Amino acid sequence: ETGVTQSPTHLIKTRGQQVTLRCSSQSGHNTVSWYQQALGQGPQFIFQYYREEENGRGNFPPRFSGLQFPNYSSELNVNALELDDSALYLCASSLGQGARRDYGYTFGSGTRLTVV
Amino acid sequence: AQSVTQLGSHVSVSEGALVLLRCNYSSSVPPYLFWYVQYPNQGLQLLLKYTTGATLVKGINGFEAEFKKSETSFHLTKPSAHMSDAAEYFCAVSKSTGFQKLVFGTGTRLLVSP
Repeated sequence: ETGVTQSPTHLIKTRGQQVTLRCSSQSGHNTVSWYQQALGQGPQFIFQYYREEENGRGNFPPRFSGLQFPNYSSELNVNALELDDSALYLCASSLGQGARRDYGYTFGSGTRLTVV
Repeated sequence: AQSVTQLGSHVSVSEGALVLLRCNYSSSVPPYLFWYVQYPNQGLQLLLKYTTGATLVKGINGFEAEFKKSETSFHLTKPSAHMSDAAEYFCAVSKSTGFQKLVFGTGTRLLVSP
């Protein structure tokens, strides 16, 4: 059983640029969530995807967008990067919805994004 | 709305001493509660979770937590600290019904001295 893998592990971007972060869900998981963890803070919920549809969103602007693919892998896209977007971005997969719902979210190791 | 308060941004213990990390939550509906651990430059690892049933929950690495509804608490304990327990610990809450997302506290860094 593979875990959640994220790529890249580290990334440096310039203010105003766009970035795409990738996540491969744990085998058998159909729901993926993205979290932003600023330095010294707890993770903050960005959004969640289930069956390729966004089904929940936190307090993040529209320049944060995502995709979930048929194989349940996912992307997080951030446009017009700002300095405050510098953070660790965490992907979490789970078995959401239905009778076999599992509340044990499995997190990846994250992508450290630095905006300069 | 849901929220989590973790008392103490840093907790220091000696190896072999009791570990107690405090977590209080606020939730408008019955909560599900979680403790995660984060080692440097790594993601979050689930230590334990409370959803339904027994209020004393045992997790990995000898940790346990007790859900106390009357105190809105879910404190994490371990009888004897080990050097390898040094890490950042996050308490999180989610709803038990409807759309679920994890709401995290700000974390507690556990320092273990020899």
